[in-house]
Amino acid sequence: TQLLEQSPQFLSIQEGENLTVYCNSSSVFSSLQWYRQEPGEGPVLLVTVVTGGEVKKLKRLTFQFGDARKDSSLHITAAQPGDTGLYLCAGDAGNMLTFGGGTRLMVKP
Amino acid sequence: NAGVTQTPKFQVLKTGQSMTLQCAQDMNHEYMSWYRQDPGMGLRLIHYSVGAGITDQGEVPNGYNVSRSTTEDFPLRLLSAAPSQTSVYFCASSTPVTYEQYFGPGTRLTVT
Repeated sequence: TQLLEQSPQFLSIQEGENLTVYCNSSSVFSSLQWYRQEPGEGPVLLVTVVTGGEVKKLKRLTFQFGDARKDSSLHITAAQPGDTGLYLCAGDAGNMLTFGGGTRLMVKP
Repeated sequence: NAGVTQTPKFQVLKTGQSMTLQCAQDMNHEYMSWYRQDPGMGLRLIHYSVGAGITDQGEVPNGYNVSRSTTEDFPLRLLSAAPSQTSVYFCASSTPVTYEQYFGPGTRLTVT
């Protein structure tokens, strides 16, 4: 089983602060996806990173795939209350995805 | 497009009862999957299908059956419910190229 560990598990910050969430593994993935999940709903895809070292930006969110394709990070600049939710990373392990345990983010106004 | 739909949204079962969770997608995706989500454990794959007539086991398949007779539908059967199967169940569909998952709204199951 290929494991993905996310850190931190919980994060509570004030509006306007910056934060970084990490997703780490000892295994190599062909691609890595980030999802956001709000209470009572299914996860929604934010981004897919494929190439080692790749950086993708989605408004105030910056995603990076590690050079060795074993880890990834999500950086949020000037967090807003609307960023509150559960952030999940998922690695492509061939025919199926392996999900991390998630980071629960709360942004207080 | 409705995307991925799941029924029911909530269900309470007694230990030993059986039931089927329904999942349908209208995006003509070949791949469909069932996950369960438990607190602090992210999503764990139960079963998946790469096309009609083809299914395979995921990480936690015991106690669950699936079948895929059409591209659109992928039901999940609980054979004899146990309290350990209390969880939120998500169905998802994807294309075989990117594996990017489109999730349904989930079914919250409680087994007493």
